[in-house]
Amino acid sequence: SQELEQSPQSLIVQEGKNLTINCTSSKTLYGLYWYKQKYGEGLIFLMMLQKGGEEKSHEKITAKLDEKKQQSSLHITASQPSHAGIYLCGADGGGTASKLTFGTGTRLQVTL
Amino acid sequence: DADVTQTPRNRITKTGKRIMLECSQTKGHDRMYWYRQDPGLGLQLIYYSFDVKDINKGEISDGYSVSRQAQAKFSLSLESAIPNQTALYFCATSGTPGDTQYFGPGTRLTVL
Repeated sequence: SQELEQSPQSLIVQEGKNLTINCTSSKTLYGLYWYKQKYGEGLIFLMMLQKGGEEKSHEKITAKLDEKKQQSSLHITASQPSHAGIYLCGADGGGTASKLTFGTGTRLQVTL
Repeated sequence: DADVTQTPRNRITKTGKRIMLECSQTKGHDRMYWYRQDPGLGLQLIYYSFDVKDINKGEISDGYSVSRQAQAKFSLSLESAIPNQTALYFCATSGTPGDTQYFGPGTRLTVL
């Protein structure tokens, strides 16, 4: 079965600083999803990457997919308190089922 | 109004009780999923359904059952709840294969 490893597991950054979260898969990535979760709440969809080399941005968040390394990175520029939460990557294992396997998450705190 | 709703949002029950968690969606999606989230373990797939007549087991289906009453409704039941089923439960929906999964706000279940 596919496994996703996220690093770091937790991160504390000062407001205004940049940060990167990585997600590495044990198998081929057919689709990689990034979600954000406020503590104890639902998952908010951020971005989906499907092609090697693909890069997407939304506001101050940029995600990239490195197909060869089976890895995706999420980069936040000039972090703000509103970026705090848990970031989860999810991988589509391929086929018609579209079952997602999730990483264990990266907990981000942004200090003033 | 939210596209994916879950009821109840919080529930405390006792060991051995039967409990049902409900999920409704207005996105018109055929595919629906149930996940559970435990601290430090990410999300694990319990059951998924492609349409009313197509229900499939996920990674951790033991102790759970589901019912797809209509395209828009997917219920998860715990026939005899046990304490290690204490977790945060999420419902999700998606359209065609490879489409983004959209999550509900979650149900926090505590089994005493």
